[in-house]
Amino acid sequence: DQQVKQNSPSLSVQEGRISILNCDYTNSMFDYFLWYKKYPAEGPTFLISISSIKDKNEDGRFTVFLNKSAKHLSLHIVPSQPGDSAVYFCAASAKGGRGGSNYKLTFGKGTLLTVNP
Amino acid sequence: EAQVTQNPRYLITVTGKKLTVTCSQNMNHEYMSWYRQDPGLGLRQIYYSMNVEVTDKGDVPEGYKVSRKEKRNFPLILESPSPNQTSLYFCASSRNPVGPYEQYFGPGTRLTVT
Repeated sequence: DQQVKQNSPSLSVQEGRISILNCDYTNSMFDYFLWYKKYPAEGPTFLISISSIKDKNEDGRFTVFLNKSAKHLSLHIVPSQPGDSAVYFCAASAKGGRGGSNYKLTFGKGTLLTVNP
Repeated sequence: EAQVTQNPRYLITVTGKKLTVTCSQNMNHEYMSWYRQDPGLGLRQIYYSMNVEVTDKGDVPEGYKVSRKEKRNFPLILESPSPNQTSLYFCASSRNPVGPYEQYFGPGTRLTVT
């Protein structure tokens, strides 16, 4: 059962335009959401996050929107740059483990973003 | 430079030969975790550790062991590797387990078991 879904395996946009990456989740216990970017041969790099008590968080060119009722979040990149080309993972976190100590990240399968010059 | 390091980066081994993948972080983080990434499955948690001498199972712990004798190190041990453990492994750390802080990942270790 995939709790975090990224239904678009790939996305291609032109430089300067907006990139919108989408993510859906099923577990209502998730209370924190994160986006990671991953280049080949490197580990995932944290990009931006949002708590479930918010519906928007912005950091420079990156904005994450959360729609709790729809269990949907999206990452907007404006303007897109060729250096943004990478795989983007959506991740969600909920307390688990002994005493709620494990903030395990549950990842989607990723979306490959290609920004064309 | 704040970072998570893993060694080795690449490893080819044979079934049954014990191996250890090391992980070290220099950020004084309490929380550390191991994930594996497989095609079509995303990243799945193997083990995690809240602090020194405190470890617990993640989603896919079978065939793996961990230890946390020092705060900065969190090695992953495969006592008897099998081909289904061929995967890309990531170690991650976070500054405090009490709170959903972002996790910082190492560069990955690509393991092949023949």
